[in-house]
Amino acid sequence: GNSVTQMEGPVTLSEEAFLTINCTYTATGYPSLFWYVQYPGEGLQLLLKATKADDKGSNKGFEATYRKETTSFHLEKGSVQVSDSAVYFCAQAINTPLVFGKGTRLSVIA
Amino acid sequence: GAGVSQSPRYKVAKRGQDVALRCDPISGHVSLFWYQQALGQGPEFLTYFQNEAQLDKSGLPSDRFFAERPEGSVSTLKIQRTQQEDSAVYLCASSLAFNQPQHFGDGTRLSIL
Repeated sequence: GNSVTQMEGPVTLSEEAFLTINCTYTATGYPSLFWYVQYPGEGLQLLLKATKADDKGSNKGFEATYRKETTSFHLEKGSVQVSDSAVYFCAQAINTPLVFGKGTRLSVIA
Repeated sequence: GAGVSQSPRYKVAKRGQDVALRCDPISGHVSLFWYQQALGQGPEFLTYFQNEAQLDKSGLPSDRFFAERPEGSVSTLKIQRTQQEDSAVYLCASSLAFNQPQHFGDGTRLSIL
């Protein structure tokens, strides 16, 4: 079945460090891909999305590119801030409800 | 309000009790989804409505779980005879249509003692 695998956390970075959170998917067909973020005590918020191969989603300095050849959608940010500390979820959907990865907790230290 | 609203935010119940969780979607959103999020895990799909019709309930873990959306707006997720393994955060999401981005509420954290 369809699934999402993302790197396990926690990830701890210093402020202004470069961030990569890996995400790969398995699907029959070509899903839409998403990154959601969950700040402490809050619900999930859509961070960015991409709907077809080679699309790049971007928001708040975060980027992810839909790579069909490697079935990946890695999340990157060039310079993280303390306020980016949260849990990040990669997800896919192809005519179905969202299928999420297990989440990666990011802690950014000043 | 402008977002998806869920109530209560926290619910503690004794094993065997029935609970009801409420979701107020964004006005005009046709699609409504329920997810269950266990501690340290990603959300897992429970059920989906399009207006008042429950089109997919394949994720409901047992027949103790029941969801409804009688007027195509507010939805209630009911769990009968709760068990400890039902302890989780229950998330509701709504979207304009099935394949449109989903907007999530803050969730209801359910603890079964």
